[in-house]
Amino acid sequence: DAGITQSPRYKITETGRQVTLMCHQTWSHSYMFWYRQDLGHGLRLIYYSAAADITDKGEVPDGYVVSRSKTENFPLTLESATRSQTSVYFCASISRGSTDTQYFGPGTRLTVL
Amino acid sequence: AQSVAQPEDQVNVAEGNPLTVKCTYSVSGNPYLFWYVQYPNRGLQFLLKYITGDNLVKGSYGFEAEFNKSQTSFHLKKPSALVSDSALYFCAVRVAGYNFNKFYFGSGTKLNVKP
Repeated sequence: DAGITQSPRYKITETGRQVTLMCHQTWSHSYMFWYRQDLGHGLRLIYYSAAADITDKGEVPDGYVVSRSKTENFPLTLESATRSQTSVYFCASISRGSTDTQYFGPGTRLTVL
Repeated sequence: AQSVAQPEDQVNVAEGNPLTVKCTYSVSGNPYLFWYVQYPNRGLQFLLKYITGDNLVKGSYGFEAEFNKSQTSFHLKKPSALVSDSALYFCAVRVAGYNFNKFYFGSGTKLNVKP
């Protein structure tokens, strides 16, 4: 199906483990984003990417790493998970030249024990 | 610093009554304003946006929002609420001319529509 997908949808891990959250979009959108959603904070930008091999930090990048070797994929890695990274993570994309409408994936609920 | 405020954590309204979800913003530059809705265990869905032009913007599911530059507000409204409108609503802003990483979201407002 066309659209933006995230996997896994739910993940439980332990402190110190490495975790990778996957994001895949079928629209060939240039821009992709990772947000985390926490109660009382709304959505906060972790990283974004303007194109393959071009990434930049957002508001809360510490503890996260991203890569984008292909336009359609934008994985987010927690190098050494901490409890403060327990959150819901959303991936989003925008088409180059669009008027800024973001399309969001269904989210990944991550729990770090 | 750029910011978006949604002053109400929760809004309660009876079905059939008009609803308003408030949003104010603070940016240096021309704002692009957005409303998104989030249903339980789902991602955010686009409702409407203001880029330029008419201050009253109409969007999906009968929602509309009015851009008020003097009050720096972009309140979401609907003339007659439905129980199915119950969800979490987010206001967001981007400043014209900035890079795409400059999106700012409010903290969200939970809308409860009671039968």
